[in-house]
Amino acid sequence: KQEVTQIPAALSVPEGENLVLNCSFTDSAIYNLQWFRQDPGKGLTSLLLIQSSQREQTSGRLNASLDKSSGRSTLYIAASQPGDSATYLCAVDNYGQNFVFGPGTRLSVLP
Amino acid sequence: NAGVTQTPKFRVLKTGQSMTLLCAQDMNHEYMYWYRQDPGMGLRLIHYSVGEGTTAKGEVPDGYNVSRLKKQNFLLGLESAAPSQTSVYFCASSYALIEQYFGPGTRLTVT
Repeated sequence: KQEVTQIPAALSVPEGENLVLNCSFTDSAIYNLQWFRQDPGKGLTSLLLIQSSQREQTSGRLNASLDKSSGRSTLYIAASQPGDSATYLCAVDNYGQNFVFGPGTRLSVLP
Repeated sequence: NAGVTQTPKFRVLKTGQSMTLLCAQDMNHEYMYWYRQDPGMGLRLIHYSVGEGTTAKGEVPDGYNVSRLKKQNFLLGLESAAPSQTSVYFCASSYALIEQYFGPGTRLTVT
């Protein structure tokens, strides 16, 4: 059974810092990994999708990497801003059937 | 292009009542999903569909039924609501197992 964990559960940083969020999964036989952002009381917004043949994806100040063999992905946020405050979730496909989500990392960026 | 929409946005039910949540997508996606999100539990998959006329059980299917009569719609039914079904329900769709798109959510309270 695929299981996804995220470390840390919560993170508080001052504005301007670079930070790394971690996602680990137990079964490396995945097709895709997707990072999402969720604001309080809102739905999920897709940030980055990494397909199994890729090692990283970049969008603006965000960079996500994927190491399938070790079952890990990281989301790097450069020059953090208060507007980045949200919960960040990663999800992996589950044996080609559906997606399994991690519990999320709650990020607070302090002005 | 509305993406993924969910109806209703909020609902309060009494124990034993029934209701149907509607999810609609206009992206011609084959795959559709219903999740519930509870504090401390993350997103858990209830049911999913890989095409019109097909449905499959996810991680927490008990107490729920689904139907996918049309490709663009995925219905989630609660036949006899219980307080344990108080949650926020999210619908999502994707093309195969590529990037998921989420609806805004339905907040359901069962008293």
